[in-house]
Amino acid sequence: NAGVTQTPKFRVLKTGQSMTLLCAQDMNHEYMYWYRQDPGMGLRLIHYSVGEGTTAKGEVPDGYNVSRLKKQNFLLGLESAAPSQTSVYFCASRSPERQGNTEAFFGQGTRLTVV
Amino acid sequence: AQRVTQPEKLLSVFKGAPVELKCNYSYSGSPELFWYVQYSRQRLQLLLRHISRESIKGFTADLNKGETSFHLKKPFAQEEDSAMYYCALSLYSSASKIIFGSGTRLSIRP
Repeated sequence: NAGVTQTPKFRVLKTGQSMTLLCAQDMNHEYMYWYRQDPGMGLRLIHYSVGEGTTAKGEVPDGYNVSRLKKQNFLLGLESAAPSQTSVYFCASRSPERQGNTEAFFGQGTRLTVV
Repeated sequence: AQRVTQPEKLLSVFKGAPVELKCNYSYSGSPELFWYVQYSRQRLQLLLRHISRESIKGFTADLNKGETSFHLKKPFAQEEDSAMYYCALSLYSSASKIIFGSGTRLSIRP
């Protein structure tokens, strides 16, 4: 049981390049989230999804896009990377409140550097 | 607006001393609060949640709705408690968002 897996673990991009971060979960969770973690700012929500085919903006969505074509996958895209997007990105998933256990499970993180 | 505030960026205490990590929240609805911990080079993991009213690794946290607080406490700190601690608020609405505080780094001195 892998839980939540993020790909890649590390990446260096040049300004203006694009890339996609993949998050995969094998727990059949409805909800998935993308956060960025920056020193002194904690985890800030970028985008989230409450089900296959649905996405919504979080606190800091600008410069990012997401897709949830399959329930188990949540993709985060950077169309034109900027140095301000240098961060550690975490994906998380969990079940809806009505199913009882609301614990969020996290991936191991992706360290992205934009130069 | 919903918000989670952790006023201390860094908390350093001696081994065996009591620990209290502060968390205050702002939310008009019925909150569900959590503490997550991130040990060095590991992913975030749940430490405890207020609805469970449990003690994990000697840590407890009580929800005080009057003070809108959910402070994390441990009577005797251990070196293995050194980590980053995040307080989080789950919103019971169609948004289903989880809002995190800025985190407190706990350092236990031997």
